[in-house]
Amino acid sequence: DTAVSQTPKYLVTQMGNDKSIKCEQNLGHDTMYWYKQDSKKFLKIMFSYNNKELIINETVPNRFSPKSPDKAHLNLHINSLELGDSAVYFCASSQATISEAFFGQGTRLTVV
Amino acid sequence: GDSVTQMEGPVTLSEEAFLTINCTYTATGYPSLFWYVQYPGEGLQLLLKATKADDKGSNKGFEATYRKETTSFHLEKGSVQVSDSAVYFCALRGTGGGNKLTFGTGTQLKVEL
Repeated sequence: DTAVSQTPKYLVTQMGNDKSIKCEQNLGHDTMYWYKQDSKKFLKIMFSYNNKELIINETVPNRFSPKSPDKAHLNLHINSLELGDSAVYFCASSQATISEAFFGQGTRLTVV
Repeated sequence: GDSVTQMEGPVTLSEEAFLTINCTYTATGYPSLFWYVQYPGEGLQLLLKATKADDKGSNKGFEATYRKETTSFHLEKGSVQVSDSAVYFCALRGTGGGNKLTFGTGTQLKVEL
């Protein structure tokens, strides 16, 4: 009964490959996010969806494409992976009327 | 835009010592403020929050008070334990659109016996 779950937990892949990370929340929240955490632990928002609509798209290469098939899911697809994409990616969700966000366990992406 | 500044780590303390991690913010309007904790190899967990000026958030012996006059939300604990070793993030949710959280850079805390 994990609130925000993302898969896979670890992903090792070669440069140039395309990969996807999946995220699901069972909290009934209407807003979902992707954050990137770099090697120095710095967290930066990448995208935010509200009711399946993109509302935040920070300065992220267009190789990154989020997709939200419904309110409970927000997947992240990455094309042509580069070494610099190596990081931990966190999915999160919140309800517009409740201010805190709930985070998944993270996906550690390593590009070799 | 919104920003959060927190003290750089790592912070190393002996067990039962007093902890303060400073956090200041810049935001328009009246943001909500949070402390999140990240244990090794895990995701972020909400530790405490405050949604308006002078509110005090508290949880597991940790406290932080929303000080609008000094734009601060410092985290304190009277007696730390080894199990408190983690990275602590201060964050705010502004009143602008998008509901996004803006995080500080994180402060690593190591508690030794």
